[in-house]
Amino acid sequence: DVKVTQSSRYLVKRTGEKVFLECVQDMDHENMFWYRQDPGLGLRLIYFSYDVKMKEKGDIPEGYSVSREKKERFSLILESASTNQTSMYLCASSSPGLVGTDTQYFGPGTRLTVL
Amino acid sequence: GQQLNQSPQSMFIQEGEDVSMNCTSSSIFNTWLWYKQDPGEGPVLLIALYKAGELTSNGRLTAQFGITRKDSFLNISASIPSDVGIYFCAGPLNFGNEKLTFGTGTRLTIIP
Repeated sequence: DVKVTQSSRYLVKRTGEKVFLECVQDMDHENMFWYRQDPGLGLRLIYFSYDVKMKEKGDIPEGYSVSREKKERFSLILESASTNQTSMYLCASSSPGLVGTDTQYFGPGTRLTVL
Repeated sequence: GQQLNQSPQSMFIQEGEDVSMNCTSSSIFNTWLWYKQDPGEGPVLLIALYKAGELTSNGRLTAQFGITRKDSFLNISASIPSDVGIYFCAGPLNFGNEKLTFGTGTRLTIIP
C-alpha cells in the first residue's frame, strides 16, 4: 500500500518561530510537492522537487523554503512563521510516467495554526 | 497562477440523490483529474481523463472530458453518506508537466 506520511497532523506555533514540516514517501517517487489548502482557494502549490537537491518554486513560494536531501523526504520550512501562514499543508508525491500526468499521492495533511 | 473554477462551491443533498458538478478553465487542458478529499485526510484520485470527449466511470462516479478541452464534469449517482467530502478537479497546464493546477473545490454534504 502506497504511503505518504507527514510528521504532524496538528501544529500550533507562535509568530516568528521557525517551523519545519516533514514529509516522507515510501514509493521511490522522483517528484514531491508541498501545497497549502485554504477555504475557497483550493490547493495552491508552494514548492516542487523533481529530484534530490532540486527544487522549483510554485505559485506561492514567498515566506517558505524547502529541503530535499534524500529521495524519500521533502521538508517545508517557514523561516519566521506569520499568522497568514495558518493553513492546512499537504504533501504529495508522484513518478514521471508514459501517459500524460501521473497520479499524485497525498499525505493526510498538517493543520498549522500560527498565533 | 491559473485557477480552475468549480461549480457549485457547496452542495447539500439528501441520500440517494444524484450529484453533478463541473470545472471550467480559460485555458485548454490535455488531462483532467478528479480528486476527493475525505474530512481530515489528503485528496485521493477518483478518475483521470486523457482525451477530449472521453467519458469514464468508476462505480457510481462518471466523469467527462469536455469537447472544448476547457471543462470537465463529474456526476455521482445515488449518493451515499460516504460520498461526503470535497471534490477537486485538477490538470497540468502543459502536457507532461508534473505540476497540477487545482480547482477551488466542491464541498458535498449529505442531509440525513
